[in-house]
Amino acid sequence: EVQLVESGGALVKPGGSLRLSCAASGFTFNTVWMSWVRQAPGQGLDWLGRIKTKTDGGTTDHAAPVKGRFTISRDDSKNMLYLQMNGLKTEDTGVYHCVTDWGRGYFGSWGQGTLVTVS
Amino acid sequence: EIVLTQSPATLSLSPGERVTLSCRASQSVSSYLAWYQQKPGQVPRLLIYDASNRAPGIPARFSGSGSGADFTLTISSLEPEDFAVYYCQQCSDSNWLTFGGGTKVEIK
Repeated sequence: EVQLVESGGALVKPGGSLRLSCAASGFTFNTVWMSWVRQAPGQGLDWLGRIKTKTDGGTTDHAAPVKGRFTISRDDSKNMLYLQMNGLKTEDTGVYHCVTDWGRGYFGSWGQGTLVTVS
Repeated sequence: EIVLTQSPATLSLSPGERVTLSCRASQSVSSYLAWYQQKPGQVPRLLIYDASNRAPGIPARFSGSGSGADFTLTISSLEPEDFAVYYCQQCSDSNWLTFGGGTKVEIK
């Protein structure tokens, strides 16, 4: 069974930094593209970015609103996904989910998320 | 940015009714469109991908159609567990995936 468990969410002041982690299990992590998706309280869904597998180049794509502030990385030896967030803004408040990416951008499995509050 | 507009924002329906949800893109996304269902307190669940393909384990009462800029999610007969928020998502612009604002299907 696919399991994705996020951690690292916290209350942080505007301009601050935070690193989120996602522990993956139940599947062959190094063969799967991964993404981060944010959901502001009571709001819709925002894709933040993805990281491809090393086989596919290991490259990242980040959504325009977070490009230059957020960085996605992965450690396949630990089955871990990361999101480094710098220059946080109040509008970055929300629950951050790591998700498995089917390679086209379709998100098959979701973690329960970790809450980031910027205030 | 490809903007997805979902309509209506809210639908009030009874179990057994047929539901049609709309998603319109600001430009063509070919068939690279997905639908997700999110129930209160739960994470989104992928229902449909590539506009019309059901994800594994999704009941046959859910179907998707459309291409280009206009898409539809149909639930043939509403079950009590189908009351939820539905989101569409485009995967055409792989550099910036975007979601629609959602349609809430509530019990009448």
